[in-house]
Amino acid sequence: QSALTQPASVSGSPGQSITISCTGTSSDVGGYKYVSWYQQHSGKAPKLMIYDVINRPSGVSNRFSGSKSGNTASLTISGLQAEDEADYYCSSYTSSSIWVFGGGTKLTVL
Amino acid sequence: QITLKESGPTLVKPTQTLTLTCTSADFSLSTSGVGVGWIRQPPGMALEWLALIYWDDDKRYSPSLKSRLTITKDTSKNRVVLTLTNMDPLDTATYYCARNIYLGSNWYFDYWGQGTLVTVSS
Repeated sequence: QSALTQPASVSGSPGQSITISCTGTSSDVGGYKYVSWYQQHSGKAPKLMIYDVINRPSGVSNRFSGSKSGNTASLTISGLQAEDEADYYCSSYTSSSIWVFGGGTKLTVL
Repeated sequence: QITLKESGPTLVKPTQTLTLTCTSADFSLSTSGVGVGWIRQPPGMALEWLALIYWDDDKRYSPSLKSRLTITKDTSKNRVVLTLTNMDPLDTATYYCARNIYLGSNWYFDYWGQGTLVTVSS
């Protein structure tokens, strides 16, 4: 199972919006509505930010939103804040009944 | 707040077997709908999904590592054990355990341990 494809890095200024893409295949992202996103600050464990493509766990800011079109899922962060600077990973359920992560995207807040 | 803790050796030699334990006092492995998984992250690299075990002993493995991985649980001690055989320097990574629960329409890792760095070197 190959890792999902994410851009290595994205950046934005405070207050702006950014979008991180996550591209897979019809055997994972495209075949299911089971995409999740994790935020990982440097040296810390990942934190679940989005599940089922669009849902936020309790306590996650509504500045974070998810979507999907075909084989590509996206995470959008609006009203960018300094605390959003972190690595972001997508994950998808697959036709092999396991999960796969993306390669990760480093978000820099300028 | 749910906490999980990984424990095991920090240094293993090539060809040895790695055994890691994940424990939590905040939820029960025998509770219906609960799973625990392992994920690793080589230094400076991406997360890699390894294995998962559910309350009913259903087990899932990464196809690329399936021949080397074993995941088990001990409900009496409320812990999950991961073994990885024939360790190689490329297996050097921080190993995380995480709780896996049903959210919405599928299973997701909602709480993670702090991770434990395992270095493979002679």
